[in-house]
Amino acid sequence: EAQVTQNPRYLITVTGKKLTVTCSQNMNHEYMSWYRQDPGLGLRQIYYSMNVEVTDKGDVPEGYKVSRKEKRNFPLILESPSPNQTSLYFCASTSSREMGYSYNSPLHFGNGTRLTVT
Amino acid sequence: GQQLNQSPQSMFIQEGEDVSMNCTSSSIFNTWLWYKQDPGEGPVLLIALYKAGELTSNGRLTAQFGITRKDSFLNISASIPSDVGIYFCAGPEYGGATNKLIFGTGTLLAVQP
Repeated sequence: EAQVTQNPRYLITVTGKKLTVTCSQNMNHEYMSWYRQDPGLGLRQIYYSMNVEVTDKGDVPEGYKVSRKEKRNFPLILESPSPNQTSLYFCASTSSREMGYSYNSPLHFGNGTRLTVT
Repeated sequence: GQQLNQSPQSMFIQEGEDVSMNCTSSSIFNTWLWYKQDPGEGPVLLIALYKAGELTSNGRLTAQFGITRKDSFLNISASIPSDVGIYFCAGPEYGGATNKLIFGTGTLLAVQP
């Protein structure tokens, strides 16, 4: 089954303790992206990657890191989490040719990771 | 960057009612997308619109690409409980990088059986 898998689904941590949220897709997609979802703000892009070893900042990259060493994986790293990073996080992927703009190649989202930083 | 504002922020309706929501931008968009997020899941693409004035349906859902290219509308007819969720509009950034979609603020829909 074609899917984007995020882990963990839920995570509670303390300020400053480094964490990684993993994301893996089995559709051979070139493009992958991370979003955070906050009430009233919708989905905001954190980082994206057009292909292996190619990453770029989205709209809210501060406090986050990513890496793209393999095509299928795109982990999100919080080196020193803070309470304002408490949010619902989504990983997504698509074919870079269509960029998620069409029915043939929509953005495929994972089921989300709910992060709480105390 | 560009922003997409959705209205209303939330709606609480009775089963069987029709629903209307909209999405507005301060800038022109060449493509409008509508996604739905079911509770506990990631968003899923419902409808894609590619030219001004276009009207597209997907079952009980109908979306329109506004003539000004700065807005889009989504209607749901005869709502049912499984319509519950958050609806997002989205569009590719215009005039800048084309590597990302801008998402709206979302409309939360609750349907009372």
